Amino acid sequence: QSALTQPPSASGSPGQSVTISCTGTSSDVGGHNYVSWYQQHPGQAPKLIIYEVSERPSGVPDRFSGSKSANTASLSVSGLQAEDEADYYCCSYVGSKSWVFGGGTKLTVL
Amino acid sequence: QVQLVESGGGVVQPGGSLRLSCGTSGFILTMHWVRQAPGKGLEWVAFTRNDGNDKYYADSVKGRFTVSRDNSKKMVYLQMNSLTVEDTAIYYCAKDDHWALDYWGQGTLVTVSS
Repeated sequence: QSALTQPPSASGSPGQSVTISCTGTSSDVGGHNYVSWYQQHPGQAPKLIIYEVSERPSGVPDRFSGSKSANTASLSVSGLQAEDEADYYCCSYVGSKSWVFGGGTKLTVL
Repeated sequence: QVQLVESGGGVVQPGGSLRLSCGTSGFILTMHWVRQAPGKGLEWVAFTRNDGNDKYYADSVKGRFTVSRDNSKKMVYLQMNSLTVEDTAIYYCAKDDHWALDYWGQGTLVTVSS
C-alpha cells in the first residue's frame, strides 16, 4: 500500500490553468477507474471534487476535470481562482480491498 | 443531506486504547475511516460495508484496529488498540459512493502521548 505519487506543490496565476499528476501502479490507478480527487482547505475536512477518474459531483464547478492515462491520473483546474488555493489529494481503489491516497499537492494561486 | 459526526477522540498513552464513533444522520451507509497526522497527508484506515459483512483495513492498523457498526443506532465505530505515537492524527469518517468518499465528518483528534 505505497502512497500514490503527487508533486508536493503546483502554482498558477488567476485565470490560468494548472494540472496535478498522480502516479501509481497497474494495481491501483492503472488497474481501475476508481480514482478520485479531494480538495482540502486549511482546518477543514476534505471535499470530493472528482470520482471515477473524470466525474464531477453535483455542485463542483466544471473548471475541475480529471483524466487518466495508464498508471497516471491527472486533475486539471482551469480559470484559476483565489479560492482554489488548497491541498489536493488523489485516491485510488487498490483492488486488494483497500484504498490508497497520494501524498498531496499544495496549489498556490499567485 | 448526509451529515457525519465523529466523537471519542482525546489523549491516550502509548499502548492504550480508544473507541471512536461516527453518527450517520439516520442513514445506513457504507463507510470509511481516514486519518491525517498533524501537517501530513491523508491515510486510508478502514472500510465497512453498510450490512457490516465486509471490513477492510490498512496494513498499518491491521490487527490493532477494528471497525464495527450498530445499524439500529446509525453508528459506526473504530476501536483502536495498542496505540503508538504514529497513530496521532485527526480521524475522519467518510461515506462511500462508487469507491469514492463523498461526504466527510469534521474529524476527531487522537493524540497518543505519554
